Amino acid sequence: AQSVAQPEDQVNVAEGNPLTVKCTYSVSGNPYLFWYVQYPNRGLQFLLKYITGDNLVKGSYGFEAEFNKSQTSFHLKKPSALVSDSALYFCAVRDRTGGGNKLTFGTGTQLKVEL
Amino acid sequence: DAEITQSPRHKITETGRQVTLACHQTWNHNNMFWYRQDLGHGLRLIHYSYGVQDTNKGEVSDGYSVSRSNTEDLPLTLESAASSQTSVYFCASSASGSPNEQFFGPGTRLTVL
Repeated sequence: AQSVAQPEDQVNVAEGNPLTVKCTYSVSGNPYLFWYVQYPNRGLQFLLKYITGDNLVKGSYGFEAEFNKSQTSFHLKKPSALVSDSALYFCAVRDRTGGGNKLTFGTGTQLKVEL
Repeated sequence: DAEITQSPRHKITETGRQVTLACHQTWNHNNMFWYRQDLGHGLRLIHYSYGVQDTNKGEVSDGYSVSRSNTEDLPLTLESAASSQTSVYFCASSASGSPNEQFFGPGTRLTVL
């Protein structure tokens, strides 16, 4: 069965500093990986996805994520954080072999960017 | 613009009552999903559908049912609401084929007293 771990419930960072939100996954075979963001009282919004190819994936709002197969990780990064980036971030994985479009989500990481 | 909507946005009900949450999408997506979001659990899949007349159970399907009579709608029914079903419910849809991202509705906050 596929699974996702987000080891940090909360990440605090100062505005202007780089940020990293961690994600590790477990699937049989090669994965499809996703990052979503959720602002208060809103649904999830898609940020970026990894399918194949370049291990560094660029997404919306200046976010990027690095796929590392040997470490089974897909960490979300941004070079310079903004206060407006404060939100709940979810990593998700889909097994390539299972078919369909079912995603398994992590438990989420609350990002707080402070002035 | 295409969108996915949920109604009601907030619902309070009593234990034992039947409740139906609506989900409507205008993306013309074949795939639709229902999740519940609870603190410490992230999003958990309740039911999903890959097309009209197709429905499948997710990891937390007990006490819930869905039906898919057209492409646009996937209503979620709680047969006999329980306090453990107090949660925020999200509907999502995605196109078929390659690993397309899911688009989420705004959510329904359900309280079962």
